[in-house]
Amino acid sequence: GNSVTQMEGPVTLSEEAFLTINCTYTATGYPSLFWYVQYPGEGLQLLLKATKADDKGSNKGFEATYRKETTSFHLEKGSVQVSDSAVYFCAPRDSSYKLIFGSGTRLLVRP
Amino acid sequence: NAGVTQTPKFQVLKTGQSMTLQCAQDMNHEYMSWYRQDPGMGLRLIHYSVGAGITDQGEVPNGYNVSRSTTEDFPLRLLSAAPSQTSVYFCASSFTANTEAFFGQGTRLTVV
Repeated sequence: GNSVTQMEGPVTLSEEAFLTINCTYTATGYPSLFWYVQYPGEGLQLLLKATKADDKGSNKGFEATYRKETTSFHLEKGSVQVSDSAVYFCAPRDSSYKLIFGSGTRLLVRP
Repeated sequence: NAGVTQTPKFQVLKTGQSMTLQCAQDMNHEYMSWYRQDPGMGLRLIHYSVGAGITDQGEVPNGYNVSRSTTEDFPLRLLSAAPSQTSVYFCASSFTANTEAFFGQGTRLTVV
């Protein structure tokens, strides 16, 4: 079946460090790909998305590129801030339009 | 701009009790869904609806019922609560099945 694998957390970084959170997926066809972020005590919010191969989604300094050949959608940010501390979820949408969530990666950014 | 509203935010139930988790959206979205979030397991789809009067099962539907009598509302019913249903529940909606999903704030349910 369809699945998502995210790197295990927590990821602990110092402010202004470079961030990469890996995400690979298995899905039939060419799903749309999403990154969602969950801040403490809140629901999930869409961070960015990409709908076709080689598309780059970007928002708030975060980027991710749809890599069809490696079925990956790694999240990157050049300089993290304390306010980026949250849980990040990679989520492809499968051929029946359901979102498939990874287990989430907790990011902790220290001042 | 309310978005997706879930009530209650917190609930404690005794085993065997029933309750309904409410979800309402004011964005005229056709597609609505319920997820549960458990530690280390991400979000798992319970039930979903592609429009009023249409519902279907997700990955973990057992123990839960849903109905969709209006476009705005998508309540989730627990008929006989069990400790295994202790979780955080999220409702989400989107304009169509293939567009961005908006999530509610969640309901933290504890079954004792």
